[in-house]
Amino acid sequence: EDQVTQSPEALRLQEGESSSLNCSYTVSGLRGLFWYRQDPGKGPEFLFTLYSAGEEKEKERLKATLTKKESFLHITAPKPEDSATYLCASSMDSSYKLIFGSGTRLLVRP
Amino acid sequence: SQTIHQWPATLVQPVGSPLSLECTVEGTSNPNLYWYRQAAGRGLQLLFYSVGIGQISSEVPQNLSASRPQDRQFILSSKKLLLSDSGFYLCAWSPGLGPLHFGNGTRLTVT
Repeated sequence: EDQVTQSPEALRLQEGESSSLNCSYTVSGLRGLFWYRQDPGKGPEFLFTLYSAGEEKEKERLKATLTKKESFLHITAPKPEDSATYLCASSMDSSYKLIFGSGTRLLVRP
Repeated sequence: SQTIHQWPATLVQPVGSPLSLECTVEGTSNPNLYWYRQAAGRGLQLLFYSVGIGQISSEVPQNLSASRPQDRQFILSSKKLLLSDSGFYLCAWSPGLGPLHFGNGTRLTVT
């Protein structure tokens, strides 16, 4: 069964304390791996798409990487405004559907 | 640029009442359209998607239905709401096989 698993479920960091979020996927024929940020009461905001193992994407303090079995979202020197739930999703070849993980709730304390 | 509008933002409905949630997309043509539901603390569950006018694919059997009367309009409906229909409903669009872009959601509470 195609599945996406995120860990940890929740993460508390001090401002400036770098860390990584994990997204493991078991999807046959991965077409793309997507990262989103979701603030409370809002829809998810698209961050990155990764298509092949070894690919990396960066945006401000965030960097996403991809291997054949998992993706990492690295957060460097986070700030309180980075607090949010981070979702990853995968899609299969020739499919319009995204399979989402349950997310990691990140809290960055000042 | 493309924008997606979803309304209402919040809705409280009694059990057994009908439902209609609307979503429209601006700034693009022939988008793929999606309805997702998000339960508290859980991931997003795909309910319906559409690749064209009148074309609806259902992912989860339930008492909800979807329609696409116009190219950039997607409607989620129910004839009789159940308590279990409560949740956060999200509409999204994508340019073919590209990433999904979400609206700000509707918080539905069935009482």
